[in-house]
Amino acid sequence: EAGVAQSPRYKIIEKRQSVAFWCNPISGHATLYWYQQILGQGPKLLIQFQNNGVVDDSQLPKDRFSAERLKGVDSTLKIQPAKLEDSAVYLCASSTLQGVSYNEQFFGPGTRLTVL
Amino acid sequence: SQQGEEDPQALSIQEGENATMNCSYKTSINNLQWYRQNSGRGLVHLILIRSNEREKHSGRLRVTLDTSKKSSSLLITASRAADTASYFCATSSNTGKLIFGQGTTLQVKP
Repeated sequence: EAGVAQSPRYKIIEKRQSVAFWCNPISGHATLYWYQQILGQGPKLLIQFQNNGVVDDSQLPKDRFSAERLKGVDSTLKIQPAKLEDSAVYLCASSTLQGVSYNEQFFGPGTRLTVL
Repeated sequence: SQQGEEDPQALSIQEGENATMNCSYKTSINNLQWYRQNSGRGLVHLILIRSNEREKHSGRLRVTLDTSKKSSSLLITASRAADTASYFCATSSNTGKLIFGQGTTLQVKP
């Protein structure tokens, strides 16, 4: 079974530029998550999708971050414009829903973003 | 916001010894999960314990959960150099949202 795919793996941009990350979850996983992990910290959830609907985006900085999952499969996360503090690893994860219980999340390798 | 606090922040042991990491959290949970992250890589799920369970085993891993104290512990027995990684606890609500702790960095010396 193929894992969660993410691209690019690394990105370096200057502040105020735009950047986009792509994620393809495990086939059949209806739930998709984007996390931000700043160096030395645990991941923080940015947004959670169930199919193509948003379940939770309470910690997404909506003035600069946006995400979509139009067909309920792959997803893109965009930052526009980027700030220095956005330097982090952006992790995508997916899981299945069993009844009303969410199962374990499978994580992709992440995209390491450096904002100069 | 971080839900969990892990203790210790860093742990260094010799190969063959046991490693114990603790996690405390603040709000009620649906389940608690432990993940491992090797340097520069994504997270790997280790074990999930539901709120109505007290103990769970998986290979060399043993997890306990005390919901009255809002705490969990991860025990790795007979550690190996390959266990060197960061370990995170994460609490899950009924929406599936995971809230991670700061992590414990484990170094196992050969």
